[in-house]
This record gives sequence, structure tokens and C-alpha cells, in this order.
Amino acid sequence: DAGITQSPRHKVTETGTPVTLRCHQTENHRYMYWYRQDPGHGLRLIHYSYGVKDTDKGEVSDGYSVSRSKTEDFLLTLESATSSQTSVYFCAISESGRAGANVLTFGAGSRLTVL
Amino acid sequence: DAKTTQPPSMDCAEGRAANLPCNHSTISGNEYVYWYRQIHSQGPQYIIHGLKNNETNEMASLIITEDRKSSTLILPHATLRDTAVYYCIVIILGNEKLTFGTGTRLTIIP
Repeated sequence: DAGITQSPRHKVTETGTPVTLRCHQTENHRYMYWYRQDPGHGLRLIHYSYGVKDTDKGEVSDGYSVSRSKTEDFLLTLESATSSQTSVYFCAISESGRAGANVLTFGAGSRLTVL
Repeated sequence: DAKTTQPPSMDCAEGRAANLPCNHSTISGNEYVYWYRQIHSQGPQYIIHGLKNNETNEMASLIITEDRKSSTLILPHATLRDTAVYYCIVIILGNEKLTFGTGTRLTIIP
């Protein structure tokens, strides 16, 4: 997907365990995002990043943390996974500047199941 | 950001034009209209956006009414591969918090 890779693509874990999802881009885009998608809710923004070490919360950030130590990687961490965090997680990237504003390119998604 | 209203589902015959409406009656002057689509189990895909003029690209056309309170996404010759959920989003340019609603599920009928 246009230089954006999510890993793992599928993961099953148990309640209370930590989980980290990785988003890797080769486009050198400034902005990176994490969304979750659940039936009946569409996509909801968890966190986003507007540069290395610069992150901000989205609408459903509770229970999640993120880190961006280099331009190409944006990590989403569930410190202690709960069943309510069972979802499909999508990473997205976008360029800075007027031409790229709000034009997101999405990854293929990571399906997480918390038992 | 202004709220949008879309029909939950629509059908269109293959080869015909698919016209997807979106109501955004509370849109403000500096908010743009964006369209994305999501084909089953894939990540969403950007289609087109505009402020007040009609826009066209290789994927679709966007028609925005003069009062900007509604818009229509037009897929000129729908194919089976256009079956997807289509999202209409209204947002200030550069606001990173792009919010997706539940969209319109478009089914192309052979």
C-alpha cells in the first residue's frame, strides 16, 4: 500500500498483556495516524503524529499510547489489552503542506483479537 | 467540524453513473468536502476533495451546490470494483483530526 506497512497483520492475545502495533512508511511523510474500526462506528482516530516525537490524541485515545522516534515508524501500544480493544487498526500517512492536507494513504490494517 | 449526513446504502447498475449525495448544511466557509471510499476489509482510499468549485479527477467528479450545503460524488461509469463504503467528510484544511462517519454502502449490480 504505497509504501506503508503494518505489522503484525493479525494478532490474538490475552487480556492484560501488552501489545505493540508497528506502522512503517517509506514515503518520508510528516503525518502519521492510528485509527481503529469497529462495526457500527466507522473509523475512529486514536492518536496522530505531526513529526518525530510530536504526537497528539484523537477521539478514542484512552488505553493507548504511541511513539515516534524516527520519521518512518509510528508505534501504537496497548499497555494492558482489554477485550474492548479487539478491533481492526489502520495506520495512515499524509504529506505536509496544502497539497497533502487531509489526503491520507492507509495501510492494509492489523486485526487484533483480545481474548 | 460540520456534521455530514449520507444515506446508509445505495444500489447502482453496472455501467451507469453512481451519484452519492452528502448533506452538510452547517458547513462553514473554510471547510472543505472530502470523499474517501473503503473496499471491503481494505484501508480507506482518498477519492477527491473540493471547497466550492466542482472538481474532477480520474476517479470521480465532485459537485458542490452553490450554497455549499450539499454535495454529490459522481462515479461516471460504475464497475463492480466500485462496490464499497463511501465517506463524505467536511473539515478545515490541515486539521489533522479527520473523522469518518459510517458512510454510504454502494453496491454495484451486474
